[in-house]
Amino acid sequence: DQQVKQNSPSLSVQEGRISILNCDYTNSMFDYFLWYKKYPAEGPTFLISISSIKDKNEDGRFTVFLNKSAKHLSLHIVPSQPGDSAVYFCAASALKTSGTYKYIFGTGTRLKVLA
Amino acid sequence: SQTIHQWPATLVQPVGSPLSLECTVEGTSNPNLYWYRQAAGRGLQLLFYSVGIGQISSEVPQNLSASRPQDRQFILSSKKLLLSDSGFYLCAWSEGAYYGYTFGSGTRLTVV
Repeated sequence: DQQVKQNSPSLSVQEGRISILNCDYTNSMFDYFLWYKKYPAEGPTFLISISSIKDKNEDGRFTVFLNKSAKHLSLHIVPSQPGDSAVYFCAASALKTSGTYKYIFGTGTRLKVLA
Repeated sequence: SQTIHQWPATLVQPVGSPLSLECTVEGTSNPNLYWYRQAAGRGLQLLFYSVGIGQISSEVPQNLSASRPQDRQFILSSKKLLLSDSGFYLCAWSEGAYYGYTFGSGTRLTVV
């Protein structure tokens, strides 16, 4: 049962244009969401997060939008740069009764920014 | 500052051989520690997490086990590897709550 889904395995975008990566989730208890970027043979690095009390969070060229009613979040990258070419994972979590978080990751979307 | 070390970077092991992957964290105490595996088409799958020494929670029944002998050490093991254990293994730590994870650089395991 895939609770976090990234239905587009790959995306190609021209340099300077907007990249939009999508993520859907099924668990209404999720209350915190993250986006990670991963280069080959490296660990993922944190990009941006959003709490369920917000619907938008912006950090430089990266903006994450959350639509709770649709259980959907998206990552916008504007303008896209060749260095943004990587695999992007969304992750969702709910606070456990033990006080810990465990994040469920999507399958990733490979973004290729064309120069 | 906090750093996370994971080794080895790559490993080729025969079927039926044992496995031990080690992860250590520096610069923090009592971190939450996690082992993830990235397999083709499966994204990052949570295998184990630990909130303290000797405390291990398993998320997926499998051929692997984890141990936390020290506060900042997390070990992933197997007594007998299977072909299906091949993948990219990632260790991560978190301060908990809303801090997300910091991942190690990963280990590419190929079981032949």
